[in-house]
Amino acid sequence: GAGVSQSPSNKVTEKGKDVELRCDPISGHTALYWYRQSLGQGLEFLIYFQGNSAPDKSGLPSDRFSAERTGGSVSTLTIQRTQQEDSAVYLCASSNSNAGKGQPQHFGDGTRLSIL
Amino acid sequence: GNSVTQMEGPVTLSEEAFLTINCTYTATGYPSLFWYVQYPGEGLQLLLKATKADDKGSNKGFEATYRKETTSFHLEKGSVQVSDSAVYFCALSDYNFNKFYFGSGTKLNVKP
Repeated sequence: GAGVSQSPSNKVTEKGKDVELRCDPISGHTALYWYRQSLGQGLEFLIYFQGNSAPDKSGLPSDRFSAERTGGSVSTLTIQRTQQEDSAVYLCASSNSNAGKGQPQHFGDGTRLSIL
Repeated sequence: GNSVTQMEGPVTLSEEAFLTINCTYTATGYPSLFWYVQYPGEGLQLLLKATKADDKGSNKGFEATYRKETTSFHLEKGSVQVSDSAVYFCALSDYNFNKFYFGSGTKLNVKP
């Protein structure tokens, strides 16, 4: 079946512009995560959606970052007034957390964001 | 709170050498443990997992055993290949909320 799909795969924009990144999780997966990965670095947790619960936003680096998940499926990560330090690969992952303990995350290929 | 600590890299080995990448964790309750691999230019893929103490996860010649007494989940492979060159991430998911916590990643370079 289809995996996690992210779009666009690459985004180049000017400093100060707003960007929207999209994630389509695997159908039926109740949990969705956003991470940021800077060049050669590890994963930086941004936000976590679990079913209908309030999202865990504890990883968002500033109020310029926001995310929503509509209908428990597609998610959009929005970065307002982009800065050069926002340049990174943004990864989305989903998991079937209702299927019991130990369900793995499945990752998309990421969106490579470059701020000029 | 929950956290994962991995040995720092890069780790450089010759082909056919034995590999160990150390991973220790801090967690409340009974987490599940995972190793993910990221090949150059690619996304993260699940390599193996273990969901309870003393379980051994294995895949592609890699193994890791869930050791509750030492809170560890070290990754091992008996004979590495050049194609194993990648970044390896240790992770846990907590028992209550299935939230994931990742280590910082260990880059492995295997030379022919």
